[in-house]
Amino acid sequence: NAGVTQTPKFQVLKTGQSMTLQCAQDMNHNSMYWYRQDPGMGLRLIYYSASEGTTDKGEVPNGYNVSRLNKREFSLRLESAAPSQTSVYFCASISQDGVGTDTQYFGPGTRLTVL
Amino acid sequence: SQKIEQNSEALNIQEGKTATLTCNYTNYSPAYLQWYRQDPGRGPVFLLLIRENEKEKRKERLKVTFDTTLKQSLFHITASQPADSATYLCALDMLNQGGKLIFGQGTELSVKP
Repeated sequence: NAGVTQTPKFQVLKTGQSMTLQCAQDMNHNSMYWYRQDPGMGLRLIYYSASEGTTDKGEVPNGYNVSRLNKREFSLRLESAAPSQTSVYFCASISQDGVGTDTQYFGPGTRLTVL
Repeated sequence: SQKIEQNSEALNIQEGKTATLTCNYTNYSPAYLQWYRQDPGRGPVFLLLIRENEKEKRKERLKVTFDTTLKQSLFHITASQPADSATYLCALDMLNQGGKLIFGQGTELSVKP
């Protein structure tokens, strides 16, 4: 199993450009999450999807949109990138099957710079 | 809203000593508290989970305590090694919140030989 994969690993954008960050998991997990990580701020939840077909806002959703394409894939889109969106973006997934507690499995991250 | 703080941004200790990291939270009591390790350039990796009705949990050289009265969790690494150097994150799991976690800002541990 590859676990959680993210593409691209690095990206540089100019202000106003758009892009989509891709995330996929092969663990048959129900729930998926997008976080951003900034120095001294910890991980902050942008959007999450509790199950295929549903998405909800997290703590910092402004400037982002998401799509839960199927059970495996959860993408994050920046429609008009701003320098404040320079960050490291992590995707994570959990089973949420109700059997027990679930810990989050994280991808390797996407390092985004907006000039 | 829920707030979680890790007491130190950085902690430097000598190899062989015990590292103790602190995580404090406010407001609602979480159902579970989780600890993750993050190495530079990588995503966090789960280490331990402790439930609100558990006082202590151990895994090899790791020990976590959970005091719901003090609203605090302590994370200990005994007989620390340079390979333990990393950033450690605590996270609150509120239960019935769609699996969402609230993360602290992390403590960067450096173990010197």
